[in-house]
Amino acid sequence: AQKVTQAQTEISVVEKEDVTLDCVYETRDTTYYLFWYKQPPSGELVFLIRRNSFDEQNEISGRYSWNFQKSTSSFNFTITASQVVDSAVYFCALSERNRGSQGNLIFGKGTKLSVKP
Amino acid sequence: ETGVTQSPTHLIKTRGQQVTLRCSSQSGHNTVSWYQQALGQGPQFIFQYYREEENGRGNFPPRFSGLQFPNYSSELNVNALELDDSALYLCASSLQGRGTEAFFGQGTRLTVV
Repeated sequence: AQKVTQAQTEISVVEKEDVTLDCVYETRDTTYYLFWYKQPPSGELVFLIRRNSFDEQNEISGRYSWNFQKSTSSFNFTITASQVVDSAVYFCALSERNRGSQGNLIFGKGTKLSVKP
Repeated sequence: ETGVTQSPTHLIKTRGQQVTLRCSSQSGHNTVSWYQQALGQGPQFIFQYYREEENGRGNFPPRFSGLQFPNYSSELNVNALELDDSALYLCASSLQGRGTEAFFGQGTRLTVV
């Protein structure tokens, strides 16, 4: 069965601290895609990153970085020097290739990040 | 902004009623997916439409149905509303294909009383 686990329900940090959000996934497919989305209080899910299962290179985008490790089925997300505007719920999601609906996303339960000034 | 728009933003319905939610997809996208997000949970896949046909379905009963129109916009219909249908309903548009990113609308908050 496919599954995404975000063990951290809520995290609270003080501005400028670094914070890592954990994501562990389960799948039997050899080809799959992993995503991170941000959901601010407005409700809209904002796409942050996509990674395919053959690309284990870590990625950095400004203050955001992602660490993908197939050996541990993890796709962790780090925010460096956090800011109040980073406060949101963050979702990790898995999309598999051989499904009737391509692009069907399986989401974790999300991690609520609160960044205090 | 993603270019995906949903209407209405909020809706209150009575148990047993029917509801229709609407979604306009991002320009150039041919696939629309619908998700239900209960409070404090991650979104759950309802179904996907591609070329005006249902192209995959999650674990939702038949009273959840949909349509996709030639302009790729979509509707989600829910019959015989139950209290547990209260949730944020999210529409996502994408290009059909493996692992393409989905862009979400702001959602419709449905409350069933």
